[in-house]
Amino acid sequence: EPEVTQTPSHQVTQMGQEVILRCVPISNHLYFYWYRQILGQKVEFLVSFYNNEISEKSEIFDDQFSVERPDGSNFTLKIRSTKLEDSAMYFCASSQTWDRQSYNEQFFGPGTRLTVL
Amino acid sequence: GIQVEQSPPDLILQEGANSTLRCNFSDSVNNLQWFHQNPWGQLINLFYIPSGTKQNGRLSATTVATERYSLLYISSSQTTDSGVYFCAVENNAGNMLTFGGGTRLMVKP
Repeated sequence: EPEVTQTPSHQVTQMGQEVILRCVPISNHLYFYWYRQILGQKVEFLVSFYNNEISEKSEIFDDQFSVERPDGSNFTLKIRSTKLEDSAMYFCASSQTWDRQSYNEQFFGPGTRLTVL
Repeated sequence: GIQVEQSPPDLILQEGANSTLRCNFSDSVNNLQWFHQNPWGQLINLFYIPSGTKQNGRLSATTVATERYSLLYISSSQTTDSGVYFCAVENNAGNMLTFGGGTRLMVKP
């Protein structure tokens, strides 16, 4: 069964360093998302991406964050200068469509646990 | 934005017991999903259920969209059912899922 994959599973970095989290969405999906979950808290939306551009973003997704689809399969989240409060589990998700009339279930990857020291 | 409230926040069951988890939401929705977050942190899709009733083995879910709530039923619970159950909704405001705070379930042998 197709699934969303993410690498790495764990990333430890020093404050101020740049990190890139990688995702491979399900192959026939068109919409891609990043969410994060700070330990013990609820899952929060960061950004959605369609047709090579951001379609929605939350207030969390500030200038230090960026997303990119560098090729036909990968979808990346870059954090330019990490802060302690960026420590969280980051989930990538994808869906086939986004349409009020259509089936638009989102499927989540296993997550990347980011620790900023 | 849309508000999503889940109850109860914590639930302890003996193996074999049944339970009902509730999700209330504050606005009409296009999408409602239930997830199980396992001890490794993975979010496992349980149901895509913006309306109606679905069943999958020992789990079933019902969404009453007009009354803005969804229920997840777990029957004959097993220790492997332990974890956090999240409800997440998407409304007309955009294509993001808004998650509830979750129900933390512990099933004891």
